[in-house]
Amino acid sequence: GAGVSQSPRYKVAKRGQDVALRCDPISGHVSLFWYQQALGQGPEFLTYFQNEAQLDKSGLPSDRFFAERPEGSVSTLKIQRTQQEDSAVYLCASSLAGVEETQYFGPGTRLLVL
Amino acid sequence: DAKTTQPTSMDCAEGRAANLPCNHSTISGNEYVYWYRQIHSQGPQYIIHGLKNNETNEMASLIITEDRKSSTLILPHATLRDTAVYYCIVRVAAGGFKTIFGAGTRLFVKA
Repeated sequence: GAGVSQSPRYKVAKRGQDVALRCDPISGHVSLFWYQQALGQGPEFLTYFQNEAQLDKSGLPSDRFFAERPEGSVSTLKIQRTQQEDSAVYLCASSLAGVEETQYFGPGTRLLVL
Repeated sequence: DAKTTQPTSMDCAEGRAANLPCNHSTISGNEYVYWYRQIHSQGPQYIIHGLKNNETNEMASLIITEDRKSSTLILPHATLRDTAVYYCIVRVAAGGFKTIFGAGTRLFVKA
C-alpha cells in the first residue's frame, strides 16, 4: 500500500515568503507528526495530531509556524515570513493509533530559504 | 534532550554482523526502546522496538540488557545498502507524544 507522501519534495523560498508543506498520511492512520531536521542532525519534534485535534505543538519554534489537519487526514505545515534558519528538511510521520504505535515517515520536504 | 547515547560512527565489513550499541541509563519502566534508520535523502525507517525482552524480525535483532540501561541493535549480515544513520530512541508507551531523536550512529558498511 501507499506510504506517507509529502509535497513538494523540494522548495526554494525567498526570505519573507510564506510556504505551505503538505503531508498525506497512510490511509486510516489516526496520529500524525511533524519533525524538522537540520543538516547533520536528528529529526526534532514539532507537533502532533490525533485525528483533527492538535494535541501537542510545543516543538513549533515560533508563531510563524502553524500546522493544521482539518479533516483528520491530510495535514499542512505553514511557515510565514520564512527566515534563513528555517532551511531544513521537514518530515511527516503517521501512526495507526496512539503514540505507542510505530511511526512511518514520509520522504520529507527539503526547504531552502535564500 | 535525547535520553540515549550512541557512538558517532561505526564501520562494518560487508557480510559481517553490525552491532550498534545504545546507552539509555535513565530509561523509565514504561518506556520502549525503538530503533530507526535513515538512509541519505530519505525519511527515517522503522527497524524494531522492544520493552525488556529481546526481539527479532526480518531486519534485525534487538538485545536489551536485564537492567534495561543499554541495548544493542544487530544487523546479522550487513550489506552496502545498510549504510545509514541509526537512531536509538526511548519513548513512553502512552501519553507522551514526543519522539526525541539524538544524533544517531553513522554506520558505514564497506566492501
